[in-house]
Amino acid sequence: EVQLVESGGGLVQPGGSLRLSCAASGFTFSNYAMTWARQAPGKGLEWVSSVTSSGSRTDYADSVKGRFTISRDNSKNTLYLQMKSLRGEDTAVYYCAKEDGSGSSYYDYWGQGILVTVSS
Amino acid sequence: EIVLTQSPGTLSLSPGERATLSCRASQSVTSTFLAWYQQKPGQAPRLLIYGASSRATGIPDRFSGSGSGTDFTLTITRLEPEDFAVYYCQQYGSSPYTFGQGTKLEIK
Repeated sequence: EVQLVESGGGLVQPGGSLRLSCAASGFTFSNYAMTWARQAPGKGLEWVSSVTSSGSRTDYADSVKGRFTISRDNSKNTLYLQMKSLRGEDTAVYYCAKEDGSGSSYYDYWGQGILVTVSS
Repeated sequence: EIVLTQSPGTLSLSPGERATLSCRASQSVTSTFLAWYQQKPGQAPRLLIYGASSRATGIPDRFSGSGSGTDFTLTITRLEPEDFAVYYCQQYGSSPYTFGQGTKLEIK
């Protein structure tokens, strides 16, 4: 059974940093691209960042480019999102998601999400 | 950036009825790279449809997707009580991989 479990969320002050982790199990993690998406309270879904299966290529939404860094450790089956210079508009539930593996960026499995609150 | 506009914003129907949800793109979606997700309160999104019309694993056949280019539709025949939720379309043909704003399907 595929499982994705996010951790590392919480309350952080504006300008602060936080690192999210996503522990993957139930599939061969190193074979699949992975993604972070987010959902602000009461709002819709927003794609944040993706990384290829090897970690060699990354992609970011303009809203986080230069502030967030996606990475992965295939030896630990873990995906990361390093977030810096956080703003109030970054407050959201952050989801990690597995891409389907065909080279197309839709997400066949999602974690349960982790809340990040940016507030003083 | 491809902007996806979903309509209606809210759809009020009764169990057993047919639901038709629309997703319109601001420019043509590459190779019908369009997906639909269902989200219930407090839960993660769930993949329903990919490639505009292919059902994901385990999705009942009352869910179907159609469309190409800029106009896409999710149809749910014979609504079940568990189908009342928010539905999002997403294009994954070109970065940034944008989502629509969602359609809330509520019980009438």
